[in-house]
Amino acid sequence: KAGVTQTPRYLIKTRGQQVTLSCSPISGHRSVSWYQQTPGQGLQFLFEYFSETQRNKGNFPGRFSGRQFSNSRSEMNVSTLELGDSALYLCASSSTGFEKLFFGSGTQLSVL
Amino acid sequence: GIQVEQSPPDLILQEGANSTLRCNFSDSVNNLQWFHQNPWGQLINLFYIPSGTKQNGRLSATTVATERYSLLYISSSQTTDSGVYFCAVGQTGANNLFFGTGTRLTVIP
Repeated sequence: KAGVTQTPRYLIKTRGQQVTLSCSPISGHRSVSWYQQTPGQGLQFLFEYFSETQRNKGNFPGRFSGRQFSNSRSEMNVSTLELGDSALYLCASSSTGFEKLFFGSGTQLSVL
Repeated sequence: GIQVEQSPPDLILQEGANSTLRCNFSDSVNNLQWFHQNPWGQLINLFYIPSGTKQNGRLSATTVATERYSLLYISSSQTTDSGVYFCAVGQTGANNLFFGTGTRLTVIP
């Protein structure tokens, strides 16, 4: 069974631009969560989707958004990028969202 | 949110040594997971262990939910065990995890 796939692996953007990250969960998993990892704040929860519905959202500004498609693939979007958005963005999938999480390799975003 | 404290923050071991990593949390949880982040950033799930004891090869974990802590044991450490170990917890009805700041393990040959 293929693992969680995130694309792209690396991304360089400039301030003010927007970016879209993609995540394909493990086949059969309907829950996709997104986390941001930075050296200063550690790993923080962004949001979680299940069957195309956002069920939970972390404490991030509205510039961070996401969606999930009918095939459970998910995208997250960050608009009007700021330098502080530079981070490793990790996607995780699970069957229902309340048990073992499986993470992808992440997308390393650098904002210049 | 729940506060998650991990100790020690850094650990250096000789290959073959054993170690114990600790995770304390500030509130009742019904979800606790241990992860290993390798040098390339990949988070590998080691255990889903909201209570009790589990073993997987050289690794084992114990969670005492009533006392709000969990322990991860690594025996006969290998250089490939190097990386950062994270404990993450979640509460009843919530599907978001709160992560600790991690224990950075370095195993030297």
